[in-house]
Amino acid sequence: GEDVEQSLFLSVREGDSSVINCTYTDSSSTYLYWYKQEPGAGLQLLTYIFSNMDMKQDQRLTVLLNKKDKHLSLRIADTQTGDSAIYFCAESGGYNKLIFGAGTRLAVHP
Amino acid sequence: ETGVTQSPTHLIKTRGQQVTLRCSSQSGHNTVSWYQQALGQGPQFIFQYYREEENGRGNFPPRFSGLQFPNYSSELNVNALELDDSALYLCASSLAPNSNQPQHFGDGTRLSIL
Repeated sequence: GEDVEQSLFLSVREGDSSVINCTYTDSSSTYLYWYKQEPGAGLQLLTYIFSNMDMKQDQRLTVLLNKKDKHLSLRIADTQTGDSAIYFCAESGGYNKLIFGAGTRLAVHP
Repeated sequence: ETGVTQSPTHLIKTRGQQVTLRCSSQSGHNTVSWYQQALGQGPQFIFQYYREEENGRGNFPPRFSGLQFPNYSSELNVNALELDDSALYLCASSLAPNSNQPQHFGDGTRLSIL
């Protein structure tokens, strides 16, 4: 079946790196995505990675994909208070529908 | 470039009523998908519309229905509202179905059922 799992909460100090982890089950997923949701808002696309890639870097964001273990991670370098939000991992299922995890709440403290 | 817009932003209804939510896709996007996000959970896929027809459906009952118009905008209709329908309803648009182009989301409509 299709399922995406994430840890629910992460707390980091401002300036440190944050690593948010995700596991998925559908090995046929072509793309994997990271979205950010701030309070009262919709989902903002942060980055995505094609399943034949191991790593993708985009400014402060680094995505690592271990296809063998079906493990995806998002690293945020130099985490700022503005990065406090809920981060969702998603895999692409049939019809290009997205299957989301429950989200990881990132709290950044001084 | 205009992003995805949804209306209304908030809505309060009572059990048994019907509701219509609206979505305008991002310019150049012809595919619209709808998701339901209950409090504290990730979004769940409701259905997708492409070329004015339903193009895939998640595990939602028939009282959830939709439309897509020639300008690619879309409506989500929910009949016989239940308390569990209280959620944030998100619309997302993309370039085409099965294109693996990323979906871009609006800010959602928060629906509360009393």
